[in-house]
Amino acid sequence: GNSVTQMEGPVTLSEEAFLTINCTYTATGYPSLFWYVQYPGEGLQLLLKATKADDKGSNKGFEATYRKETTSFHLEKGSVQVSDSAVYFCALSEDNFNKFYFGSGTKLNVKP
Amino acid sequence: GAGVSQTPSNKVTEKGKYVELRCDPISGHTALYWYRQSLGQGPEFLIYFQGTGAADDSGLPNDRFFAVRPEGSVSTLKIQRTERGDSAVYLCASSLQGSLGETQYFGPGTRLLVL
Repeated sequence: GNSVTQMEGPVTLSEEAFLTINCTYTATGYPSLFWYVQYPGEGLQLLLKATKADDKGSNKGFEATYRKETTSFHLEKGSVQVSDSAVYFCALSEDNFNKFYFGSGTKLNVKP
Repeated sequence: GAGVSQTPSNKVTEKGKYVELRCDPISGHTALYWYRQSLGQGPEFLIYFQGTGAADDSGLPNDRFFAVRPEGSVSTLKIQRTERGDSAVYLCASSLQGSLGETQYFGPGTRLLVL
C-alpha cells in the first residue's frame, strides 16, 4: 500500500541555519509528491510539489527533489527564518482519484 | 477569490448525537475530498467526490459516516451516533478536476469534540 514516513519532530533551529526534513515513501506505482505547510492558526497550504522522478519542486527558498531510487522527497532550505516556524507535511498521491496520503508532520521551531 | 470554507469552525457535541459538517469548495472545482486529522497526526483520507457522485468512499471508518454533494458544489459530512473517538479536525479540500498530481486546496477545518 501507499505510505509516507517523515522524521519526528520537533526540529529546533536558530535563524539562518540549514534545514533538512526527511521524507520517504512507499508506493506501488509512480506517485506525485507534495510538501504542505501549516502555519500556526492557519490551514494547510501547498509549499511545493514534484510529479515525476528527478523533478525538483521549489518555493519560498525551500526545495525538494523527487528521488525514485531512494523513494525520498526530502525538504531543504539553506537559511531558515523565524517566520518558517510551522508544521510541515509530506504527502503522496498515486491513484486516478489523486487522494493524498500524508506523513505525520514535522514541527519546526526557528529561534531568533 | 474565495478559498475553501468550512462551517462550523468548532463543534462540541455529546456522545450519541448527530452532527453535520459543511464544506464550500472553490468555485469551478469538480473534485472534493474529506480528510480527518487526529492530534499529532497527518490528515487521513475519508471520501472523494467527482461532481455529485462519491467516487471513492474507502476511507470512511464505518457506516455512521456519510457524505453528500447533491449539486456538485457544497458537501456535507454527516456523522450519526457520535463517539468520543470521532473527535478530530475534519478537513475539506478541493481541486480542479481530481487529476493525478493536481494541487488540493484545503479549508481551515472543523474541530469536532465529542464529550
